[in-house]
Amino acid sequence: DVKLVESGGKSAEPGGSLRLACEASGFTFSSYAMNWVRQAPGKGLEWVSYISSGSSIIYYADSVKGRFTVSRDNGKNLLFLQMNGLRAEDTATYFCTTDRGVAGRGYFDDWGQGSLVSVSS
Amino acid sequence: DIQMTQSPSTLSASVGDRVTITCRASQSIDIWVAWYQQKPGKAPKVLIYKASSLNSGVSSNFSGSGSGTDFSLTISSLQPDDFATYYCQEYATFSRSFGQGTKVQIK
Repeated sequence: DVKLVESGGKSAEPGGSLRLACEASGFTFSSYAMNWVRQAPGKGLEWVSYISSGSSIIYYADSVKGRFTVSRDNGKNLLFLQMNGLRAEDTATYFCTTDRGVAGRGYFDDWGQGSLVSVSS
Repeated sequence: DIQMTQSPSTLSASVGDRVTITCRASQSIDIWVAWYQQKPGKAPKVLIYKASSLNSGVSSNFSGSGSGTDFSLTISSLQPDDFATYYCQEYATFSRSFGQGTKVQIK
């Protein structure tokens, strides 16, 4: 069975940095594009970032472009999200998901349980 | 970016009711729409992809339709386990916008 487990979420101050990780198992991680999707408390879903299976194609939402960096380690089945310049509006549960589509145009198939990031002073 | 306008935002219904949720895209997106169900404290689960394809393991009680700009998710007979929040999502572009969500609650 596909399993995605996020970690690294915690409290941070505005302007600070955090690194989220997502450990994948139960499927051939290196063959799948991946995404980060977030959900602010009590709010809807927002796609954050996409990375292709070989890391050659990367996309970001405008709200995080220039501040967040997605990467992956296919040898260790890990997906990362480096978050710099954190803002209060980045407070959310961050989910990693598999991607079912082509070149960044897909839906979100399997989801992790999420990792909560809270940004406040 | 494509905007997805979902309605209603809240829906009160009874077990056994037929329920329809609609989603309108700000421009044509062919059939590139998925629908998700989310329960409190849980990750979303994909129900429908490509507007009308039922995801593996999902009850046939759920169906999707539409193309172009207008889409709908129908629950043919609402079950107790179906009370949740539902989201549409376009994937015609890499920005992958979601609708605002529809909370289906007990009447």
